[in-house]
Amino acid sequence: AQSVTQPDIHITVSEGASLELRCNYSYGATPYLFWYVQSPGQGLQLLLKYFSGDTLVQGIKGFEAEFKRSQSSFNLRKPSVHWSDAAEYFCAVGAPQAGTALIFGKGTTLSVSS
Amino acid sequence: DGGITQSPKYLFRKEGQNVTLSCEQNLNHDAMYWYRQDPGQGLRLIYYSQIVNDFQKGDIAEGYSVSREKKESFPLTVTSAQKNPTAFYLCASSTWDRRNEQFFGPGTRLTVL
Repeated sequence: AQSVTQPDIHITVSEGASLELRCNYSYGATPYLFWYVQSPGQGLQLLLKYFSGDTLVQGIKGFEAEFKRSQSSFNLRKPSVHWSDAAEYFCAVGAPQAGTALIFGKGTTLSVSS
Repeated sequence: DGGITQSPKYLFRKEGQNVTLSCEQNLNHDAMYWYRQDPGQGLRLIYYSQIVNDFQKGDIAEGYSVSREKKESFPLTVTSAQKNPTAFYLCASSTWDRRNEQFFGPGTRLTVL
């Protein structure tokens, strides 16, 4: 069965430090991959997505993610975290066929310390 | 501006009552979705719809019902059969193609009193 694992439930990073959030997926073929961010009490906003091609994808707010097929991973990174990045982050997987819904990980909560 | 609206933002319900959550989109998307979010559980799919007058159960459909009479609208009814309905509910929409990027509404927080 398809699944998405975000191993870190909660991460705290100092402002200005680098960030990496982990995402591993289980899927029979190369899926479509997404990272979303959610501020408290709000909906989800798409940060970036990977469909094919260059395995390093750039997103909004200075985020990037790298798809590694050999590791079934799609980790999210940011070189310098800002206090406004504190939020919950979700990795999601979509099957490369029409007619299927996304599968979401359980999320990683990011806290930023000053 | 195109987007997804959900109403109300906060909803309170007495036990035993049905309640309907509204979701409207003007993105001309074919597909719409309802998710339930609980702390530490991520997003769990309740129902989704690919086209008007058609919908499929997701992972946790018991105690919920939906309709899709118009492309723009996908209301969710939380029935009295749902034993633990207090949660944050998110509606989303997407084009129904291989890229399936979903756009989310702001959510409705339902509390059962």
